[in-house]
Amino acid sequence: EAGVAQSPRYKIIEKRQSVAFWCNPISGHATLYWYQQILGQGPKLLIQFQNNGVVDDSQLPKDRFSAERLKGVDSTLKIQPAKLEDSAVYLCASSLDRPARGTEAFFGQGTRLTVV
Amino acid sequence: AQKVTQAQTEISVVEKEDVTLDCVYETRDTTYYLFWYKQPPSGELVFLIRRNSFDEQNEISGRYSWNFQKSTSSFNFTITASQVVDSAVYFCALSDTYSSASKIIFGSGTRLSIRP
Repeated sequence: EAGVAQSPRYKIIEKRQSVAFWCNPISGHATLYWYQQILGQGPKLLIQFQNNGVVDDSQLPKDRFSAERLKGVDSTLKIQPAKLEDSAVYLCASSLDRPARGTEAFFGQGTRLTVV
Repeated sequence: AQKVTQAQTEISVVEKEDVTLDCVYETRDTTYYLFWYKQPPSGELVFLIRRNSFDEQNEISGRYSWNFQKSTSSFNFTITASQVVDSAVYFCALSDTYSSASKIIFGSGTRLSIRP
């Protein structure tokens, strides 16, 4: 079974530029997550989709971050404009069902973003 | 509010020693799920185990064991006879079932180094 695919693996941009990350979840997984992991910290949830609807985006900086999940499958996360503090690893994950059902999340390898 | 605390930032032991990683959680929910994930240097979070709040039996899987104690809100992870390949960052995580908007939150992680 294919895992969660993310691209690109690495990205270096200058501050105030824009960047987009792509995620393809495991086939059939209804829930998709984007986490931000700053060096030395645990993953922080940015946005959670159930099928193609947003369940939680309370920690997404909406003035610069946006995300969508097309047809309930692939997802893109965009940052515009980027700030230095956005340097982090962006992890995409998916699960068969919502966390309330206790299903575990499976993670992609992440995109390491460096903003200079 | 949900919270996961991993007080041990870094642990370093010599190969073949036993090591325990601590995890303390907070939740107002009576039904919840606990997880452990491993993050090797490659960066991908690997699911290790899930526990629901009604199952307090300890679990053993090879050299890994988990001790869940509701009385102390702890879900500790022990590696017996550690090996160099166990070197990674380990995360404890929690999801509640309070609402359809439940989410998986992570602790700050414990970096485990196994010295040959």
